[in-house]
Amino acid sequence: DTAVSQTPKYLVTQMGNDKSIKCEQNLGHDTMYWYKQDSKKFLKIMFSYNNKELIINETVPNRFSPKSPDKAHLNLHINSLELGDSAVYFCASSQDFWREGFQETQYFGPGTRLLVL
Amino acid sequence: DQQVKQNSPSLSVQEGRISILNCDYTNSMFDYFLWYKKYPAEGPTFLISISSIKDKNEDGRFTVFLNKSAKHLSLHIVPSQPGDSAVYFCAAMADSGAGSYQLTFGKGTKLSVIP
Repeated sequence: DTAVSQTPKYLVTQMGNDKSIKCEQNLGHDTMYWYKQDSKKFLKIMFSYNNKELIINETVPNRFSPKSPDKAHLNLHINSLELGDSAVYFCASSQDFWREGFQETQYFGPGTRLLVL
Repeated sequence: DQQVKQNSPSLSVQEGRISILNCDYTNSMFDYFLWYKKYPAEGPTFLISISSIKDKNEDGRFTVFLNKSAKHLSLHIVPSQPGDSAVYFCAAMADSGAGSYQLTFGKGTKLSVIP
């Protein structure tokens, strides 16, 4: 069983479209994340969601919005897609929230490769 | 079992001097390392990373050094500025199989840059 799964694995779409990426974790974790990996392999955190608290990285455009129907799911909606949104998007989860004084391991999904044409 | 250790919970440095934040790891499967910075009440932001095939990566005032044989990496900030005061997390990534990864974070080091 895959611990953290994402769908779709590949997404090719036109500029201006609205798309969603789904993420599910079956680890019973309380915290989920979305990361963006750009062409230089930098792994930038976009959102972290711990139970009912959503923490947004302020560099993320408001075209990106996470939605969590329950603790096991954190979906990413992207409106008005732009060329620069092309990247690999990773979902991850951890038992608790990543914070000072605590070591935490996050488990990543396989990634969704988004290409905006 | 701490796989990623940041042994200094805090560090104080004078403005203009060099800040050196250290990180040790135990898992030889880690092949990619990252540093994140976090201000209070904000989410962590990516700072700099290094692949295990390199021993140094530089970006402006920030340089990360990797010593694979010692399983040690360090982040150098030169010159340090008051705005650099934050908590710095070291993180290490390993392939957990089936195309998935694990990212393990250290406990963080709180850097205070004194004007």
